[in-house]
Amino acid sequence: DAKTTQPPSMDCAEGRAANLPCNHSTISGNEYVYWYRQIHSQGPQYIIHGLKNNETNEMASLIITEDRKSSTLILPHATLRDTAVYYCIVPPTGTYKYIFGTGTRLKVLA
Amino acid sequence: GAVVSQHPSRVICKSGTSVKIECRSLDFQATTMFWYRQFPKKSLMLMATSNEGSKATYEQGVEKDKFLINHASLTLSTLTVTSAHPEDSSFYICSARGPDAGYTFGSGTRLTVV
Repeated sequence: DAKTTQPPSMDCAEGRAANLPCNHSTISGNEYVYWYRQIHSQGPQYIIHGLKNNETNEMASLIITEDRKSSTLILPHATLRDTAVYYCIVPPTGTYKYIFGTGTRLKVLA
Repeated sequence: GAVVSQHPSRVICKSGTSVKIECRSLDFQATTMFWYRQFPKKSLMLMATSNEGSKATYEQGVEKDKFLINHASLTLSTLTVTSAHPEDSSFYICSARGPDAGYTFGSGTRLTVV
């Protein structure tokens, strides 16, 4: 099973890009990388996912390295409402089970 | 988009009583749902996989007789905390795989056992 490693916390100035890294060096070739965030006392919210190619949606961009051993979630213009815990998840092949790591606590500063 | 409704959002119960938490997929069918618990300032811990029409699959260390899961229809899974004790106080969250990629999570249930 691919284990993910994320820094425990990060600060970002409002309006600047927030770059959240995730290491998943044991990822298998057909395992996706999912990103979720959890705002205090709420359920996790889906952000984006990817396999090999970089992805972008209305919330964020996902950059996956060529060897797929790490990825970076980019919030292009962070706002105070982006303050949350961000989780990078790689579901084990064939299980659909999400195993949450410790995540990164992002604090957006005014 | 896919919506998962969880009810109640907060519940306080007396020690020794049982509490039922409902998780509904509102606009899609979910053959599989998942239940998590989360302690303050900690990450989500997967408790069990709820399978429609069959027995739930529990993670190691989770007491199946303590946390009863029923997935009687394609849109409803319930978690019953039996004979609750203060140490069962926690934030319980369900999730379901929607029609789009990824899972949709409920808003969570804050259980306090007094």
